[in-house]
Amino acid sequence: SQQGEEDPQALSIQEGENATMNCSYKTSINNLQWYRQNSGRGLVHLILIRSNEREKHSGRLRVTLDTSKKSSSLLITASRAADTASYFCGLDYKLSFGAGTTVTVRA
Amino acid sequence: DVKVTQSSRYLVKRTGEKVFLECVQDMDHENMFWYRQDPGLGLRLIYFSYDVKMKEKGDIPEGYSVSREKKERFSLILESASTNQTSMYLCASSLDRNPIFEQYFGPGTRLTVT
Repeated sequence: SQQGEEDPQALSIQEGENATMNCSYKTSINNLQWYRQNSGRGLVHLILIRSNEREKHSGRLRVTLDTSKKSSSLLITASRAADTASYFCGLDYKLSFGAGTTVTVRA
Repeated sequence: DVKVTQSSRYLVKRTGEKVFLECVQDMDHENMFWYRQDPGLGLRLIYFSYDVKMKEKGDIPEGYSVSREKKERFSLILESASTNQTSMYLCASSLDRNPIFEQYFGPGTRLTVT
């Protein structure tokens, strides 16, 4: 099965700024999920977006899905130190993440 | 809160040993998964199970087998451990697969094979 590919590999931002990361894939999907991983809490689910949805929000998170471009983006607004983590996108049932985007939020 | 627990956080085994990794979930989820996570390679699915005694191969099943005798428990077995199986192993569970629901992950087992 295919893996999502996250981009950029790393991102460093100031507290309060927004962070945007992208996920691209090769063949059509039914849904896409974003997860976060940090040393304290392990892998945690953030948002699931289905192929018939274009945008979803959850608190400070906004996810878009463009099936024509086979890509998704995750926006974190007003970032906090606690957002420092690696972010992954997973495709359909089998997930299989790429190497992820490592986000560092500087105080 | 869904809780997924794994039997060990750290494990060191010798080449050729048979290794058992256990995973238990407490939310009556239908589906359970075993992944391995390696730097630069991301997360890859080894096996998953959608019901008791049912299993399907993931992307990298070679060298592994699984067992699901009870709904809450999913075991990963390394028949004869090799150094290239040194990795972080993550177990997950989800409510169902149609429609798809989010997966809940355990804390992981870092396995070193020497």
